[in-house]
Amino acid sequence: KQEVTQIPAALSVPEGENLVLNCSFTDSAIYNLQWFRQDPGKGLTSLLLIQSSQREQTSGRLNASLDKSSGRSTLYIAASQPGDSATYLCAAPSGSARQLTFGSGTQLTVLP
Amino acid sequence: DAGVIQSPRHEVTEMGQEVTLRCKPISGHDYLFWYRQTMMRGLELLIYFNNNVPIDDSGMPEDRFSAKMPNASFSTLKIQPSEPRDSAVYFCASSFVGVDFYGYTFGSGTRLTVV
Repeated sequence: KQEVTQIPAALSVPEGENLVLNCSFTDSAIYNLQWFRQDPGKGLTSLLLIQSSQREQTSGRLNASLDKSSGRSTLYIAASQPGDSATYLCAAPSGSARQLTFGSGTQLTVLP
Repeated sequence: DAGVIQSPRHEVTEMGQEVTLRCKPISGHDYLFWYRQTMMRGLELLIYFNNNVPIDDSGMPEDRFSAKMPNASFSTLKIQPSEPRDSAVYFCASSFVGVDFYGYTFGSGTRLTVV
């Protein structure tokens, strides 16, 4: 059974800082990993999807990496802005199954 | 594309009443998932369908919960009778699996409050 852990649980940084969110998973036989953003009271927005054949994906100021051998993924946010404040969730599938297991999220606050 | 559409957005009901949550997946997606989110337990998978067929319902908490997908464009999650501990945000998500897995798209969720 897949287990996904995210650290830290909460992070507060001043605007402009670069930051890294961490995600670890127990079953490394995954074919992809997905990062989501959730704003308070809202649904989940997909940020990045990394296929197992890739080591990283980039979208604007976001960069996600995947290291299957170590069971880890990181989400790097460059030049953080107050609008980046949200909860960031990492999700990995359980082996060959299609369902995603979610971490508990990192609540990010970017201070102006 | 309008994305995954869920209704209602909010539902307040009294304990013991039947509640039906609705989901319209993205056209062409062949997988549909129902998740529940609470502060205590985070996001939990309840059930998922592939080509309208339930594949894994091991996350359904008890017999009071049931889900159907009568066609490729509609699914329901029903709770009967509802209890206060069912209060949560219920999300529907859909995905397409081709040569690669294209990831999940979530709906905006239904916030259920059982009083």
